[in-house]
Amino acid sequence: DAGVTQSPTHLIKTRGQQVTLRCSPKSGHDTVSWYQQALGQGPQFIFQYYEEEERQRGNFPDRFSGHQFPNYSSELNVNALLLGDSALYLCASSQTGGTGWEQFFGPGTRLTVL
Amino acid sequence: GDSVTQMEGPVTLSEEACLTINCTYTATGYPSLFWYVQYPGEGLQLLLKATKADDKGSNKGFEATYRKETTSFHLEKGSVQVSDSAVYFCALTGNTGRRALTFGSGTRLQVQP
Repeated sequence: DAGVTQSPTHLIKTRGQQVTLRCSPKSGHDTVSWYQQALGQGPQFIFQYYEEEERQRGNFPDRFSGHQFPNYSSELNVNALLLGDSALYLCASSQTGGTGWEQFFGPGTRLTVL
Repeated sequence: GDSVTQMEGPVTLSEEACLTINCTYTATGYPSLFWYVQYPGEGLQLLLKATKADDKGSNKGFEATYRKETTSFHLEKGSVQVSDSAVYFCALTGNTGRRALTFGSGTRLQVQP
């Protein structure tokens, strides 16, 4: 079992550009959540996808959008990048139902905006 | 809204010392509580969890008890090792809806030989 995988590992962009980050969930998981972790801070919830639809969203602007594919993998898109978007972006997958709804995290994508 | 407050770090201990990292929360209803650990350069790993009041989560010598009366979930370990050096995050989810995690700001633990 490969666990949750994310690509790319690192990314450098300039202000105003657009970026796409990718996530493959753990085998058997159908729900993908995205989190932003600024340096020295705890992760903050961006949004969650289930059955190819955004089901819940945190306090992030519309510049942040996503997609989930039929194979449950997901993309996070950020438009009009700002310096403040520099962070570690974490993807987490989980299985609907059951108890605890444990979320498994990937290693993250480090985005630097110059 | 929901929130989690952790003691600020870094916490520096000698090997075999006792560890306590304080965590308190604000949430409606009966959240599930978690401790995650982040080793340098890695993603988050679930360390332990508790889903109802008075539950004790435990793993790798770490323990935490869900205290509803004090809205706390303090992380404890009787004897830390150098390999425990990492950042520890307290987190919660609601027990309804899609269960997004709300995290504290993290506490860095440094264990010296």
